[in-house]
Amino acid sequence: EAEVAQSPRYKITEKSQAVAFWCDPISGHATLYWYRQILGQGPELLVQFQDESVVDDSQLPKDRFSAERLKGVDSTLKIQPAELGDSAMYLCASSRNRDGYTFGSGTRLTVV
Amino acid sequence: AQSVTQLGSHVSVSEGALVLLRCNYSSSVPPYLFWYVQYPNQGLQLLLKYTTGATLVKGINGFEAEFKKSETSFHLTKPSAHMSDAAEYFCAVSDAAAGTALIFGKGTTLSVSS
Repeated sequence: EAEVAQSPRYKITEKSQAVAFWCDPISGHATLYWYRQILGQGPELLVQFQDESVVDDSQLPKDRFSAERLKGVDSTLKIQPAELGDSAMYLCASSRNRDGYTFGSGTRLTVV
Repeated sequence: AQSVTQLGSHVSVSEGALVLLRCNYSSSVPPYLFWYVQYPNQGLQLLLKYTTGATLVKGINGFEAEFKKSETSFHLTKPSAHMSDAAEYFCAVSDAAAGTALIFGKGTTLSVSS
């Protein structure tokens, strides 16, 4: 079964440092999502891509977060500088149509 | 705007007992509804989904959910709990027509005791 690949699985970084996460969606899935999940809460959408275009980034803290999907395939989410409150699970998902969303295993970020 | 409310942040059952996890949604358009399960430090695994058609939806691992438009509910049930069902469960909604991203509830932690 096809999977959404994410790396790294775990990341520890010091506050004020830069950190980046990578996601490779299922082949043929035009829509890609980045979610942030704080411990004990549900995932919250950060950014949605349709191919290489941003569809929704209204909840992305643009002063420190950036996301790109240059060729409409894989995507990178960056935080610079990282803050203690950014500690969370970062989940990537992809979909081909409106009723099928597949999630990756996530990146657990700890900021110290 | 769409939203999801999961009633009960923590549910405890005995092995073999009925599992009932509650989810109510708010949507001004026909919704697509989903239940996901998450194990510690893992991603989300789809249990089941409702899009159109039959309102009683069967999923993996013996779970099922019923879409009740009049009650704006999509509760998750399983007749007999197993120890391996202990996990975090999330209800989610999306706008069927617009193809928007999933909006999740805060989650319910299911504990199963022997």
